[in-house]
Parts: sequence; C-alpha cells; structure tokens
Amino acid sequence: DAGVIQSPRHEVTEMGQEVTLRCKPISGHDYLFWYRQTMMRGLELLIYFNNNVPIDDSGMPEDRFSAKMPNASFSTLKIQPSEPRDSAVYFCASSSPPTSGPSEQFFGPGTRLTVL
Amino acid sequence: QKEVEQNSGPLSVPEGAIASLNCTYSDRGSQSFFWYRQYSGKSPELIMSIYSNGDKEDGRFTAQLNKASQYVSLLIRDSQPSDSATYLCAVPRRDKIIFGKGTRLHILP
Repeated sequence: DAGVIQSPRHEVTEMGQEVTLRCKPISGHDYLFWYRQTMMRGLELLIYFNNNVPIDDSGMPEDRFSAKMPNASFSTLKIQPSEPRDSAVYFCASSSPPTSGPSEQFFGPGTRLTVL
Repeated sequence: QKEVEQNSGPLSVPEGAIASLNCTYSDRGSQSFFWYRQYSGKSPELIMSIYSNGDKEDGRFTAQLNKASQYVSLLIRDSQPSDSATYLCAVPRRDKIIFGKGTRLHILP
C-alpha cells in the first residue's frame, strides 16, 4: 500500500490567494483526519470524516477554512482567502474503525504551506 | 488545563543512557494512550500503545501508565542517535486522538 498521499508537498502563496490541499487516504480506511502543526500550537485536529461525512469540524479555525470528502479516496482542505498566520504544516491521516481498542492513525507526509 | 501536557524540551541524553519522557493527562476516564515519534520534517508514526496500568515493553522501548496519578511515560533504553526526534503523547477520545505538543529528544553521540 502506498500509504496516505498528500499534495502538494510544498505550497508558497501570497496573502489573499486560495489554497487547496489534497489527500488520498489508505484504501479501506473509512476515517480521515486533517491536522495543522505549528511550533506554537503543536498538532491540532481541524476536522475529521467518517464514511465521507464530516463528524467534527470544531477545530476549523474560521470560515476561511473548508473541507470536503466527495468520495472514499479523496479529500480537500481549502483556505480562502489565505493569511500569513495560516503558514503551517498540514497533515492528513486515515484510520480503520476501532475494534477492540482505538485505531492507529496513519499520517501522510504533510503539506508545508507558506503564506507571504 | 490542557488535556495532554508534555515538557517541550529539548531533553538531551548521552548515547547509551536511558531517556525518560513524561506526559500527564486531565481526563480520569482515559483508558488508553499512544506514543508517536516524529522525526524532523517527517510525519508522526505510532511506536507504542498502552491500555492498562503498569509497564509495556517493546524492544528498547517501555511505556508506563499510572492511572491514579494520570501519568504516562516512555523509557528508551540504550539510547541511539537515531532516537533523536520529537515524541508525542496522545490520548484517544472516541474516534479522534488528542495530541500533546511533544518533547524534543536529542541523543548526544
């Protein structure tokens, strides 16, 4: 299995531009998570999906952020308009349903976003 | 109080010594815990999980859980330079995981 795939790996954009981050989860995993990581705030959960349905978006910082999962193999995180404070590494992770205990989450390589 | 707290470090340990990483959590109802390792510029990966009080050993790694004190630790024996990384303590919460900010560990050759 190729693991969780994210694109692009690096994104540099100017303030006010729209940014779209993409994720392909591991086949068969029906949970998908979007995280943001910064030195100051650590790894923060933004939103997660189960069977393509958003379950908890309480971590999405504001209306400029939106996420979709149109099918089981693809999700996007969009920032519009972007601001310099959005600069961070954005990770996508996927997991299978919990069975006898909580499931391990498998992380993609991340997208390093820089907003100038 | 944050749900999961860790000392950010850096923690510097001589090669061959024992590295001890600590984590406290706020929810007394938490039943299981994860340790993730994250190398610089890479993504987190799960290295240990623990579900019951006491110790769990896996090679050079030992996870320790004390539910009464709400305390989880990770011991790394015979530390190697390749162990230099950030270690994230994590607490599952239903379908999701709450991560600590991580402790940076530096093994001195």
